[in-house]
Amino acid sequence: GNSVTQMEGPVTLSEEAFLTINCTYTATGYPSLFWYVQYPGEGLQLLLKATKADDKGSNKGFEATYRKETTSFHLEKGSVQVSDSAVYFCALTRNYGQNFVFGPGTRLSVLP
Amino acid sequence: DTEVTQTPKHLVMGMTNKKSLKCEQHMGHRAMYWYKQKAKKPPELMFVYSYEKLSINESVPSRFSPECPNSSLLNLHLHALQPEDSALYLCASSPGRGDRSYTFGSGTRLTVV
Repeated sequence: GNSVTQMEGPVTLSEEAFLTINCTYTATGYPSLFWYVQYPGEGLQLLLKATKADDKGSNKGFEATYRKETTSFHLEKGSVQVSDSAVYFCALTRNYGQNFVFGPGTRLSVLP
Repeated sequence: DTEVTQTPKHLVMGMTNKKSLKCEQHMGHRAMYWYKQKAKKPPELMFVYSYEKLSINESVPSRFSPECPNSSLLNLHLHALQPEDSALYLCASSPGRGDRSYTFGSGTRLTVV
């Protein structure tokens, strides 16, 4: 079946540090890959996405590259801010499916 | 309008109450979803409506009853809930076939007492 694995954290960084949150997936066919962010007390917001191999999604300084050979979609940001503190979910969906498969989420805390 | 709007934001209900959660979108999306999220867990799919027809029910207990009156609205009717049903209920929508970018609402935080 389809599944997503990501480092669960919590991850604690100082402001301006480099961020990597690892995400690997198992899926048949050619899934689309996503990162969603959930700020405290809120719903999920789409952060970035990639729909085919070697695509790079980027938004708000965050980047992730769809690596089919390693079945990975690691999230990176060069310099985190306190306002980036949130839970980050890696997810996939099949192109002809209707269900997202979410990873367990990674809680990020950025300290000033 | 690029939002999914959920009401109410917070709801406290007794185990004998009947209440409804509402979700609305005006993006022309033809697929709408209900998810349940417990604390510190990822969202879990409950129901999928595609073109206003129920297409997926993930074995959800009958005390949860979804309804899609039209392509912009999605309701979740609640009756005889249990305290373990307390959670954040998220609505989402997507264009339908093709683009899989869901837009999520902010959720309704439900407490069953």
